[in-house]
Amino acid sequence: GNSVTQMEGPVTLSEEAFLTINCTYTATGYPSLFWYVQYPGEGLQLLLKATKADDKGSNKGFEATYRKETTSFHLEKGSVQVSDSAVYFCASSGTYKYIFGTGTRLKVLA
Amino acid sequence: DTAVSQTPKYLVTQMGNDKSIKCEQNLGHDTMYWYKQDSKKFLKIMFSYNNKELIINETVPNRFSPKSPDKAHLNLHINSLELGDSAVYFCASSQEAIPHEQYFGPGTRLTVT
Repeated sequence: GNSVTQMEGPVTLSEEAFLTINCTYTATGYPSLFWYVQYPGEGLQLLLKATKADDKGSNKGFEATYRKETTSFHLEKGSVQVSDSAVYFCASSGTYKYIFGTGTRLKVLA
Repeated sequence: DTAVSQTPKYLVTQMGNDKSIKCEQNLGHDTMYWYKQDSKKFLKIMFSYNNKELIINETVPNRFSPKSPDKAHLNLHINSLELGDSAVYFCASSQEAIPHEQYFGPGTRLTVT
C-alpha cells in the first residue's frame, strides 16, 4: 500500500542555518504531495504542495520538489528562524484520505 | 471566520464514560475526516465521510461512532472510554475525494483518567 517515510527528529538548528527534512513515498499512480506544519497547541496547516512530477512547491521560504525518479519530496529552507520551530509532516494523497509521515520536530535556537 | 471548528478544545473524563466531540466546517466541502494524534505526534486517519456517507473506517474500535447530520458537520461519539483513547483528535475537511488540500481544526485534547 501507499506509505510516506520521513526522517526522524528532533532536528535542532541554530538560527539562519540551512534546513533539510527528508521525505520519500511509495504509491500506486501519481499522488499529490504535501508538507504540513503544526505549531505547538495548534492544528495542522498546509505549508506547500506539489501535484505532479517536477513541480516545486514553495511558501514562507520553504521549498520542496516532487521527484518521481527518487520518489522524494524533501523540504528545504535556506535560513531558519526561531519562529519555524514546529512539527513538520510530509503527506501524500490517497482516495478520501492522506497518508502522513510520522512527523519531524524542528527546534531552532537563537 | 473559522474554517474548521471543533468543540470542546479540552476534554477530561473518567474511564467508562461516554463523550462526544463536535466538528463543523464552513468551507462548503464535501469530505470530512477524523484523525487521532498520539503523544508522539503520529497522525492516524480514523474516518472519512463524503457527502454524509462513511467512506473510510480504518479499523477503529466500534466504541467510536461518527455521525454526519449534514455535509458541514461530522461529530465523533466515543463509548466506554479507555485510558488508551487519550490523544488529540483532529477534524479536517477537503473539497475533493482525492484531496489537494485538507483544512484542519484546532484539535480536541482528550484525557481519560
